[in-house]
Amino acid sequence: AQKITQTQPGMFVQEKEAVTLDCTYDTSDPSYGLFWYKQPSSGEMIFLIYQGSYDQQNATEGRYSLNFQKARKSANLVISASQLGDSAMYFCAMREGRTSNTGKLIFGQGTTLQVKP
Amino acid sequence: KAGVTQTPRYLIKTRGQQVTLSCSPISGHRSVSWYQQTPGQGLQFLFEYFSETQRNKGNFPGRFSGRQFSNSRSEMNVSTLELGDSALYLCASRLAGTSSYNEQFFGPGTRLTVL
Repeated sequence: AQKITQTQPGMFVQEKEAVTLDCTYDTSDPSYGLFWYKQPSSGEMIFLIYQGSYDQQNATEGRYSLNFQKARKSANLVISASQLGDSAMYFCAMREGRTSNTGKLIFGQGTTLQVKP
Repeated sequence: KAGVTQTPRYLIKTRGQQVTLSCSPISGHRSVSWYQQTPGQGLQFLFEYFSETQRNKGNFPGRFSGRQFSNSRSEMNVSTLELGDSALYLCASRLAGTSSYNEQFFGPGTRLTVL
């Protein structure tokens, strides 16, 4: 069965430093997508970055990059130059199958990131 | 372009009552998904609607239902509320179709408290 595991319940990082949030996944479907979302205390889920299972290169979006290691089934989020506004809960999520077929996402338990000034 | 909107933002109900939550997707988006978020269970998929038809359903009892209208707006209904239904209910919309990954955009959520 599909599953997302985030092993770090909470993390601290100093402002301006880089931080890596871990995510491993399990699926038997060769076609899948991996997402990272940020959830501030307000509750809204903010999309950060996406990686498709057939993408050859690691995804990047500004200060966010995804370290995709397909053989190890890991999709770690790297945030460079952390800012105080990065303090939030971060969720890794997966969608199985062809993108046009479903919007169902499986989420991990999340990692709370706190950025220290 | 306006984002996903959800109403109401906060709701307090008592056990046994029913509740209806509303979600308006981004203009042009035809797919709406609903998720329940609780501290104990995390984020769980409830159901997805596309072109007024339920496309996927999560593992929730029949007390949870939904529908989608011709303008893509969606409602979810929870009947006979239980204390455990207290949660943040998030709605997400996506374009659906042949675009590369169909990014889902989430609304701000409705926080339901059942007393």
